[in-house]
Amino acid sequence: EAQVTQNPRYLITVTGKKLTVTCSQNMNHEYMSWYRQDPGLGLRQIYYSMNVEVTDKGDVPEGYKVSRKEKRNFPLILESPSPNQTSLYFCASRRSGQDYQPQHFGDGTRLSIL
Amino acid sequence: DQQVKQNSPSLSVQEGRISILNCDYTNSMFDYFLWYKKYPAEGPTFLISISSIKDKNEDGRFTVFLNKSAKHLSLHIVPSQPGDSAVYFCAASVGGSNYKLTFGKGTLLTVNP
Repeated sequence: EAQVTQNPRYLITVTGKKLTVTCSQNMNHEYMSWYRQDPGLGLRQIYYSMNVEVTDKGDVPEGYKVSRKEKRNFPLILESPSPNQTSLYFCASRRSGQDYQPQHFGDGTRLSIL
Repeated sequence: DQQVKQNSPSLSVQEGRISILNCDYTNSMFDYFLWYKKYPAEGPTFLISISSIKDKNEDGRFTVFLNKSAKHLSLHIVPSQPGDSAVYFCAASVGGSNYKLTFGKGTLLTVNP
C-alpha cells in the first residue's frame, strides 16, 4: 500500500529536549515536505526537499532542521523545542518531473511542548 | 499576508443538497489549484485539482470551478452525503510544479442526514 508514515503520532515533551519526527514514504517520490497546522492558520510549509541532499526553507522554518540522506526518509528535527512549536505536523511527498500531481500526506504527528 | 483565503470557517447542508465551498486568492502567479479533504486524526487527502488553463474540472460528485478574473474558485459537491463531512482545504501553487503549496485555513463542512 502506497503511504507516507510518520512517527511518533503523538508526543508530549518539555522545552529544550531535542526531538526528531520521522517521515518515510514507499512510493519512490523525489519530493518531500513538512507542514504544520495550527488553529485558524491552515497548513504552513516548514521545509521541503526536491531530492536526496537537496532541501530548502518553506514559510516557517525557524526552529526546525531537516535532512534528506535517503530518498524515502525526511526527518524533522527540533533541536531545542519551545512551546510555540506545539502543533500538528504533516509530512507529504510527490513524484517530481511531473506537473499537476498532488502531494500525498501522512496522518500527522501531534506535538505538545510544555 | 494571506494569499489563499477561505472566508467561511464552516458550512452546514442537508444530505442530498449541493455544497459549495469557496476560495479566493490574491497571487496572480498561482496557476494550479487543489482541494484536499481532511478527516479528524488523518492527513489531508487529495480530492480534485484544476489548472489555470481550464475553468472547470469534474470528478464524479465533485466539480471545481475557476474564475481567473475574479481570482476565485469553488468546489461543488452534488449530492452531498454525510460521509463528506470533513474540513476542506483549498491550496494553490505557481508553475504547476506543486512543489510549494499555499493553503487556505480550511472550511468545516457538515452534511446532516
